[in-house]
Amino acid sequence: GAVVSQHPSWVICKSGTSVKIECRSLDFQATTMFWYRQFPKQSLMLMATSNEGSKATYEQGVEKDKFLINHASLTLSTLTVTSAHPEDSSFYICSASPATGRTEAFFGQGTRLTVV
Amino acid sequence: AQKVTQAQTEISVVEKEDVTLDCVYETRDTTYYLFWYKQPPSGELVFLIRRNSFDEQNEISGRYSWNFQKSTSSFNFTITASQVVDSAVYFCALRTYGQNFVFGPGTRLSVLP
Repeated sequence: GAVVSQHPSWVICKSGTSVKIECRSLDFQATTMFWYRQFPKQSLMLMATSNEGSKATYEQGVEKDKFLINHASLTLSTLTVTSAHPEDSSFYICSASPATGRTEAFFGQGTRLTVV
Repeated sequence: AQKVTQAQTEISVVEKEDVTLDCVYETRDTTYYLFWYKQPPSGELVFLIRRNSFDEQNEISGRYSWNFQKSTSSFNFTITASQVVDSAVYFCALRTYGQNFVFGPGTRLSVLP
């Protein structure tokens, strides 16, 4: 099956610093990628939808200036958490949909972010 | 609006018992897709099944089976002869064409030896 690689799988950073998370579709082109956030013992909540070559669409309540999303190519989307704070500590998961199969979506392994 | 409800927050069973995880969904779309994912403690989402709205045939895969009832908007998941390795959080999700996933709140299954 299709593979989505997310990196890093975990990261610890200091408050005030920025962290970049990469999401790559390894064997297919992804026109659309989704970024989710999951707090402990909660479900996945969509943060934003990114389409290759255009600005991301953010869900209500998600600060676009804090969570910068770039989808510069059909195989790579990045999420940058800027000026991270302890409340940003969470599990971030990306998913990617192939250009030719919009009903399918494949998930990355997730990134556990801890801000200290 | 689309919504997925998993009424069972946590379930505990003893190994070899059968267990059914409930999922009820809401959507106004006539074409949609239902999914089940398993999330072990490591965090990654493990795809289990996808079912489209036009295919109400139930499916069995080893110890797993799924019951799709459009009349009640339910897509329940049964594990037969549960094993300790089945312990995880299970998410039911809904997706319409080209749109993002809407996840249920998840059901935490603990299978005790």
